Amino acid sequence: QLHLQESGPGLVKPSETLSLTCTVSGGSINNPNYYWAWVRQPPGKRLEWIASVYYNGVTYYNPTLKSRLRISADTSRNQFSLRLTSVIAADTAVYYCARQTDWFDPWGQGKLVTVSS
Amino acid sequence: EIVLTQSPGTLSLSPGERATLSCRASQSIGDNYLAWYQQKPGQAPRVLMYGVSTRATGIPDRFSGSGSGTDFTLTISRLEPEDFAVYYCQQYGSPPRTFGQGTKLEIK
Repeated sequence: QLHLQESGPGLVKPSETLSLTCTVSGGSINNPNYYWAWVRQPPGKRLEWIASVYYNGVTYYNPTLKSRLRISADTSRNQFSLRLTSVIAADTAVYYCARQTDWFDPWGQGKLVTVSS
Repeated sequence: EIVLTQSPGTLSLSPGERATLSCRASQSIGDNYLAWYQQKPGQAPRVLMYGVSTRATGIPDRFSGSGSGTDFTLTISRLEPEDFAVYYCQQYGSPPRTFGQGTKLEIK
């Protein structure tokens, strides 16, 4: 059974860079049938797709965040990662990683990242 | 981008009752590319339906989906205690993929 687990700092200072990693077990990310995605949920707000990476490294970004985002995949470690630069308070959210076809399934348990000094 | 609006915001029902949740899109979603998710407190969302009306693996048949174009519905025929949660719709017909704001289904 596929399992995804987010890791990274839970507190990031404004203007700094948020970095998260998703470790996948029970299956390989080197699979042309799937994308690997990050979705976030700010407190009390709707889910927001952030970015996706394909097994061959092709990336897709939400246009509203694209200038600050980088997603990458490390097939040797079966991980994919997210970097969000110049964070602000509005970037405070639970960040989920997920396997993506057209929908997202399954998801990791989520990582709360708070942007605060 | 396509904006999804879910209604009602909160639905208060009793176990055994029928629940009808609505998702309206700001523009037509081609090829019925709509999914539904269930999220319980402290848990990640899980997919219930995709392609409007196809149940994901392991989803009981009391869940059904319908609709086309801009108006979609998730129906739970007879509520079980474990069904009380927040439900989100998500479209994948037009990038970027977007989600509705959610309907909270609570016990009356």
